[in-house]
Amino acid sequence: AQSVAQPEDQVNVAEGNPLTVKCTYSVSGNPYLFWYVQYPNRGLQFLLKYITGDNLVKGSYGFEAEFNKSQTSFHLKKPSALVSDSALYFCAALEGTYKYIFGTGTRLKVLA
Amino acid sequence: DGGITQSPKYLFRKEGQNVTLSCEQNLNHDAMYWYRQDPGQGLRLIYYSQIVNDFQKGDIAEGYSVSREKKESFPLTVTSAQKNPTAFYLCASQQGAGGYTFGSGTRLTVV
Repeated sequence: AQSVAQPEDQVNVAEGNPLTVKCTYSVSGNPYLFWYVQYPNRGLQFLLKYITGDNLVKGSYGFEAEFNKSQTSFHLKKPSALVSDSALYFCAALEGTYKYIFGTGTRLKVLA
Repeated sequence: DGGITQSPKYLFRKEGQNVTLSCEQNLNHDAMYWYRQDPGQGLRLIYYSQIVNDFQKGDIAEGYSVSREKKESFPLTVTSAQKNPTAFYLCASQQGAGGYTFGSGTRLTVV
């Protein structure tokens, strides 16, 4: 079965430090991978996607993600965390043409 | 501005009552989706529609119904058969494989 895993329920990082939110996937064929962010009581906002090409994908708000085919991972990164980055982050993979599989989410807490 | 509008933002349902959640998009997207979000469980797909007058069950369709009479609209009805409807409901749309655009959600509570 195809799946997306986010192994950490919560990640704490100090403001100004680099952050990483982990995601691994198990999908057939070439993966289409996405990261979304959710603020309290809001819908999800698109951050970035990997379809093909460079393994390092740059997205909104200074975030980037590294696609690693051999490790089947797509970790979200940011060189310097802000308190305003505190939110719930979801990794997702496209299943077939129209459906997405979502991870269970990782809560990022950036401490001032 | 193009986007997805969900209404109402908050909804209260009495036991045994059907309620309908609205989702409207002006993005001209073909595909629309309904997800349920519960704490610690991520997003679970309820129903999706790829074109007008056609829709498919997702992973947790029992107790829910949808219609897609217009491209712009994809309402979700939570029926009395749904025994645990308290959750945050998210509507999304997409065109191609570029990723979803989400609405701001409806929080449904059983009272």
